Amino acid sequence: GAVVSQHPSRVICKSGTSVKIECRSLDFQATTMFWYRQFPKKSLMLMATSNEGSKATYEQGVEKDKFLINHASLTLSTLTVTSAHPEDSSFYICSARGARETQYFGPGTRLLVL
Amino acid sequence: EDKVVQSPLSLVVHEGDTVTLNCSYEVTNFRSLLWYKQEKKAPTFLFMLTSSGIEKKSGRLSSILDKKELFSILNITATQTGDSAIYLCAVRGKDGGSNYKLTFGKGTLLTVNP
Repeated sequence: GAVVSQHPSRVICKSGTSVKIECRSLDFQATTMFWYRQFPKKSLMLMATSNEGSKATYEQGVEKDKFLINHASLTLSTLTVTSAHPEDSSFYICSARGARETQYFGPGTRLLVL
Repeated sequence: EDKVVQSPLSLVVHEGDTVTLNCSYEVTNFRSLLWYKQEKKAPTFLFMLTSSGIEKKSGRLSSILDKKELFSILNITATQTGDSAIYLCAVRGKDGGSNYKLTFGKGTLLTVNP
């Protein structure tokens, strides 16, 4: 199946700093990428949808100024958590969709804000 | 609002048993239904279903969609301890704009004991 990578896999940062997470589709071009957040023992919650070359569409309740998304190329999307706080600690997962409708997930990034 | 309901929420079986996981949905402009397996990291893709009544099969796993009843099942036969995971059902629909997005159920936690 298609491969999606995320980097870093785990990050610990101090409150107030910004953290950038990269999502790459390794063997296909992803016209659309999705960013999800998952709390312990909960399902995935969609944060935003990003289409290459255009602004991301954020879900209701997600602060676009706090979670900056850039989808600069067909293989790379980034999520920047700005001025992170402890409540932003979570498991962030990206997903990429290519020409067919199947969505493939990255391995996730576990963020811990102290 | 799109909704995906999975049942049961958790299930404990013995190796060799057969299990059936359920997924019902209400979604605007249905496109497809996807099943994922999630172990310690991000979900891995199992099946995508778009047509009613056609069974998708992969080894001991199979799935079928009933678009009339808005329902899908995932069957696992001759379960093994390695099947222990959270199984997520997700439905793709179209939002008010031009984006298609996945709505996830809460998942079924399957535990297979030796």
